[in-house]
Amino acid sequence: DAKTTQPNSMESNEEEPVHLPCNHSTISGTDYIHWYRQLPSQGPEYVIHGLTSNVNNRMASLAIAEDRKSSTLILHRATLRDAAVYYCILSNMDSNYQLIWGAGTKLIIKP
Amino acid sequence: DGGITQSPKYLFRKEGQNVTLSCEQNLNHDAMYWYRQDPGQGLRLIYYSQIVNDFQKGDIAEGYSVSREKKESFPLTVTSAQKNPTAFYLCASSRTLLRPTEAFFGQGTRLTVV
Repeated sequence: DAKTTQPNSMESNEEEPVHLPCNHSTISGTDYIHWYRQLPSQGPEYVIHGLTSNVNNRMASLAIAEDRKSSTLILHRATLRDAAVYYCILSNMDSNYQLIWGAGTKLIIKP
Repeated sequence: DGGITQSPKYLFRKEGQNVTLSCEQNLNHDAMYWYRQDPGQGLRLIYYSQIVNDFQKGDIAEGYSVSREKKESFPLTVTSAQKNPTAFYLCASSRTLLRPTEAFFGQGTRLTVV
């Protein structure tokens, strides 16, 4: 299974954009990139997913490098409610699109 | 409101006892999953199910059992064979396993063995 590498933690100021990086150098051509986030003692929440093209939704944007070996989750204007652990996950058809979870990045938002 | 309901939120079990965690969804999703999460770590897949009366082992199925008698329900039993059952258990569902869709999670059950 292709793996992802994320920083253990990041800090950002409230109302500023946040760029969360993810490296996936062994990604295959059919691997999808997913992002979920988890607040303490809660279940994870879907954020966004994509394959090759950049994706936007109401929560965030996903920027995928041209070689697909890395991606960046962009929160356009961070609020205190965005403080969570963010997981970058790969999935593919061969494994029924199972999500393989790493330890994620703990995002700290400073007021 | 549509969603995933897990119960109870907190559960205490004596060593040697089996315990069943409940998971119900009203999203009309075909696929359901059980994960385990230990402190500071990501989620690990225990079991998953694509359709009623069918389920597959995940990465850490030993010491656990499941059933899928109804589309809406996917209970997890933690048996006495599970050597280290204290953990946070999460149930999830998604529309299908056949394409990458959004997974919806319950609020979790925190199991403590006393």
